[in-house]
Amino acid sequence: DAGVTQSPTHLIKTRGQQVTLRCSPKSGHDTVSWYQQALGQGPQFIFQYYEEEERQRGNFPDRFSGHQFPNYSSELNVNALLLGDSALYLCASSRGGSIEAFFGQGTRLTVV
Amino acid sequence: QKEVEQDPGPLSVPEGAIVSLNCTYSNSAFQYFMWYRQYSRKGPELLMYTYSSGNKEDGRFTAQVDKSSKYISLFIRDSQPSDSATYLCASNFGNEKLTFGTGTRLTIIP
Repeated sequence: DAGVTQSPTHLIKTRGQQVTLRCSPKSGHDTVSWYQQALGQGPQFIFQYYEEEERQRGNFPDRFSGHQFPNYSSELNVNALLLGDSALYLCASSRGGSIEAFFGQGTRLTVV
Repeated sequence: QKEVEQDPGPLSVPEGAIVSLNCTYSNSAFQYFMWYRQYSRKGPELLMYTYSSGNKEDGRFTAQVDKSSKYISLFIRDSQPSDSATYLCASNFGNEKLTFGTGTRLTIIP
């Protein structure tokens, strides 16, 4: 049983560019959440998707947007990248109503 | 004030020692309390979670929540070098967003 998979593993972007990160949830899971983890910090909640709708959003600007597809996979898009967007982006999946959230290995984004 | 506070460490203990990791939280509405372990360059892995106050044990790990003092603890018995990682506490109201602490970096010295 594959766990949560994220792609790509690493990428480097230039300030002002746009980036798309992808996540495939664990089998049987229908809820996907995205987190940003800066170096030396705990993960910060960006948003959560359930049934292709954004259900909850954290304190992130509109430059951060997402999407969930009918197969429950999800994308995180960040526009107009800033140096401060450099971080590990984590995707977590869960089964609707469950407390247990399982994380992927993350995508390391570096903005130069 | 952050909703979940955690001493970032680092914390180094000899192999076989009992490790105590702690967090405090400010939001009295939190109902669930989790501990995640994160190895370098990996995503967080759920160790265990507790609902409301009380203790929960899983092998060498014991999670403890005291809602009266808003205090969350994780104890690791007979610590092993493989326990060396960053430990993150987190809280939420249910199947919603997790609010994490900063994480404590733990090193077990053989």
